[in-house]
Amino acid sequence: DAGVIQSPRHEVTEMGQEVTLRCKPISGHNSLFWYRQTMMRGLELLIYFNNNVPIDDSGMPEDRFSAKMPNASFSTLKIQPSEPRDSAVYFCASSPTASGRSYEQYFGPGTRLTVT
Amino acid sequence: GDSVTQMEGPVTLSEEAFLTINCTYTATGYPSLFWYVQYPGEGLQLLLKATKADDKGSNKGFEATYRKETTSFHLEKGSVQVSDSAVYFCALTHSGYSTLTFGKGTMLLVSP
Repeated sequence: DAGVIQSPRHEVTEMGQEVTLRCKPISGHNSLFWYRQTMMRGLELLIYFNNNVPIDDSGMPEDRFSAKMPNASFSTLKIQPSEPRDSAVYFCASSPTASGRSYEQYFGPGTRLTVT
Repeated sequence: GDSVTQMEGPVTLSEEAFLTINCTYTATGYPSLFWYVQYPGEGLQLLLKATKADDKGSNKGFEATYRKETTSFHLEKGSVQVSDSAVYFCALTHSGYSTLTFGKGTMLLVSP
């Protein structure tokens, strides 16, 4: 299995530009998570989907952030407009889930975003 | 709500030393517990897990035992290697819930 795939691996952009991060979960996994990691705040859950439906987006920092999952094999996290404080590593993770059971999450390699 | 507390790092050890990284949790019921490892420049990888009290998770020489009475899941390894240098995260989740609650992570540095 290829694991969780994220693109791009590195993104450098200027303040005010739109940024789109992409994720392909592991085939057969029905939950998908977006995280942000910074030195100051550690690992933060931004949003998660179950069966392509957003379940909890309370971690999304503000309206500049949006996420979609149009099908079971693809998700995007968009920042518009981007700001320097958005600089971080963004991880996507996926997990198989079933009623009454909890499963571990499998993380992608991350996208390192730098906003200048 | 749920929370996970880990010892602050960095933990600095010499090769072949014994490792303990403490993790305690606050949660209702009987969560599942995990240790994840993050090597420099990479994503988090599952290291081991335990799903019920007194279970011992183990992998790559690392072990952790689910202690319900002390709400702890301490990570141990008898002899660390330089290649074990990484950040270690303790986490929990409840059955039927998808989300993980992570600790802040503990950096381990192993010198030759």
